[in-house]
Amino acid sequence: TQLLEQSPQFLSIQEGENLTVYCNSSSVFSSLQWYRQEPGEGPVLLVTVVTGGEVKKLKRLTFQFGDARKDSSLHITAAQPGDTGLYLCAGADSNYQLIWGAGTKLIIKP
Amino acid sequence: SQTIHQWPATLVQPVGSPLSLECTVEGTSNPNLYWYRQAAGRGLQLLFYSVGIGQISSEVPQNLSASRPQDRQFILSSKKLLLSDSGFYLCAWSKSRSYEQYFGPGTRLTVT
Repeated sequence: TQLLEQSPQFLSIQEGENLTVYCNSSSVFSSLQWYRQEPGEGPVLLVTVVTGGEVKKLKRLTFQFGDARKDSSLHITAAQPGDTGLYLCAGADSNYQLIWGAGTKLIIKP
Repeated sequence: SQTIHQWPATLVQPVGSPLSLECTVEGTSNPNLYWYRQAAGRGLQLLFYSVGIGQISSEVPQNLSASRPQDRQFILSSKKLLLSDSGFYLCAWSKSRSYEQYFGPGTRLTVT
C-alpha cells in the first residue's frame, strides 16, 4: 500500500518567517501535486511536479520533487496571512490515481 | 473554461434517512469523476471514481453508492444514513489520463 506522510501536521508562525513542509513516501510516484484548501472550500491545485529533481516556483512558494520521485517539499518565503490554509500533497500512481497525504495545517499570524 | 458544481452546500439529515448529493461539470467532455470524503482538517479519502457513464469503481466498502447517469453528472447516494457518514464531501474531475484533479466547493453533511 502506498502512503504519503506529511510533516509537520500543524504549523503556526509569524508573518514574514520562512517555512518548509515535507511530503515523504517509500514509493515512487509518476508525479506529485500540491493543493491548498481554505476552510469550507475544495482544494485548489497549486503545482504538479513530474521530473525527479524538478523545482518549480510560484511567487513566494518553491516546490521541489526528490531525485528518486519519492518525496517533495514546499518552501514558503516571507509567509503572509493569506498563505494560511491546509496544504495537501498527492502522489499519482501509474493508473492516474492519487495517493493523498493527511495535510499540513498552516497558520500565519499577522 | 471548466466549472464544477455541487449541491447542496450544507445538509443536516437524521440517522436512517436517504441521501443524494449531486455534482455536475461544465466545459469538458468525458471527464474522470471522483467522490471524496474529508474529516475535519485532514486528508481526503477516495470513495468512488468513474471513467465513463455507468462505470463506477468503489474504493471503500460502506453504505454509500455512486451513479453516473450522464457524462458530466455524478451522484452520491445512501439508502440509510449512519452517524459516521457525517463529513465534508468533495467532488472532483480530471481529464482522462491526467494527474490533475479539480474540486467542487463541497457539501457539509451532518447526520444527527
